[in-house]
Amino acid sequence: KAGVTQTPRYLIKTRGQQVTLSCSPISGHRSVSWYQQTPGQGLQFLFEYFSETQRNKGNFPGRFSGRQFSNSRSEMNVSTLELGDSALYLCASSLGAGSGGYTFGSGTRLTVV
Amino acid sequence: DQQVKQNSPSLSVQEGRISILNCDYTNSMFDYFLWYKKYPAEGPTFLISISSIKDKNEDGRFTVFLNKSAKHLSLHIVPSQPGDSAVYFCAANEDNAGNMLTFGGGTRLMVKP
Repeated sequence: KAGVTQTPRYLIKTRGQQVTLSCSPISGHRSVSWYQQTPGQGLQFLFEYFSETQRNKGNFPGRFSGRQFSNSRSEMNVSTLELGDSALYLCASSLGAGSGGYTFGSGTRLTVV
Repeated sequence: DQQVKQNSPSLSVQEGRISILNCDYTNSMFDYFLWYKKYPAEGPTFLISISSIKDKNEDGRFTVFLNKSAKHLSLHIVPSQPGDSAVYFCAANEDNAGNMLTFGGGTRLMVKP
């Protein structure tokens, strides 16, 4: 059974650019959540999508956005990149609503220069 | 304001002994708690969880204890093995918050042979 797949694994972008990260959840999982991990702030929740609808959103600026497709795959987009956006971006999938069963991908390491 | 705190950034334990990792929370709406293990450049791996209706959950060498009145949970690893060396995160979820997890800052566990 394939796990959560995130692409690309590594990315280097310049300040002011935008970036799109992709996440393919485990087959059958309908919920996809995104997290940002930085040394200073730890793991912080970005947003969650379920059946193509954003269900929850963390405390991040509007430059961070996402979407989910009908096959449950999800993308997140960061526009007008800042140096502080350098982080490991993690995606987690689960079957549906409620607790438990979260499986994380290996993440995308974004470096903004 | 950190709603989930892991006050020990690191812990060193001898192989074969017990490792105890602690986590405190402030949000009384949290009703489900999880522990994750994380290696560098990888996504967190789910270890064990506990619902607020229980005070203990055991899975092999891993046991999680929940003290709701103290808003405190702990993860016990017995016996500790060198392969357990990693960063451990506790996370919490509210019943009506979908799959949004609030993470602690992590504790780096080092198990010495």
